[in-house]
Amino acid sequence: ILNVEQSPQSLHVQEGDSTNFTCSFPSSNFYALHWYRWETAKSPEALFVMTLNGDEKKKGRISATLNTKEGYSYLYIKGSQPEDSATYLCAFHPTPMTTDSWGKLQFGAGTQVVVTP
Amino acid sequence: NAGVTQTPKFRVLKTGQSMTLLCAQDMNHEYMYWYRQDPGMGLRLIHYSVGEGTTAKGEVPDGYNVSRLKKQNFLLGLESAAPSQTSVYFCASSSARTRSAYEQYFGPGTRLTVT
Repeated sequence: ILNVEQSPQSLHVQEGDSTNFTCSFPSSNFYALHWYRWETAKSPEALFVMTLNGDEKKKGRISATLNTKEGYSYLYIKGSQPEDSATYLCAFHPTPMTTDSWGKLQFGAGTQVVVTP
Repeated sequence: NAGVTQTPKFRVLKTGQSMTLLCAQDMNHEYMYWYRQDPGMGLRLIHYSVGEGTTAKGEVPDGYNVSRLKKQNFLLGLESAAPSQTSVYFCASSSARTRSAYEQYFGPGTRLTVT
């Protein structure tokens, strides 16, 4: 059973501070790594999908890096704002072993970020 | 586009009752998924479908059945509800035809309580 781990489980950030957190995944059989943002009482929304080692993606103040050889991805939030408060999920897509395994993601438990004014 | 919709949004069942959750998507996606979300557990895959007429078991399939008779709809059934099935259920869909490596689009969720 593959294991996707996220750390820390939660973190509190002062408004204006920058922060980052980690997603660890198996380094073998890599196909893609997804990041989702999940606000309270809403549904998860995709932030980034990364497929290549060394990928860096950016959306506004949020960015992500990917190291497939060592099996980790970092998500960075620069100058955190209260609206960045959410749970950030990563999801690993291994190279499928069967045709019906395409599209099947393995989610981490998430990092809950609370930004206080 | 409505995206992914789920019906109902809330439901309270008594132990042993049955119900069906409906998921619909208007994006012509081939892949559809049912997850449950419990505190501290993240999203766990119940069942999924790679196309109309096909379904497969996910991580936690026991106590649930699914059907995908039409490409746009994915139904999740509970034949005899148990308190352990109290959870928030999310449906999602994705496509293999884009470059997004199966980025998933989620519905708003169904909060189910079994007493």
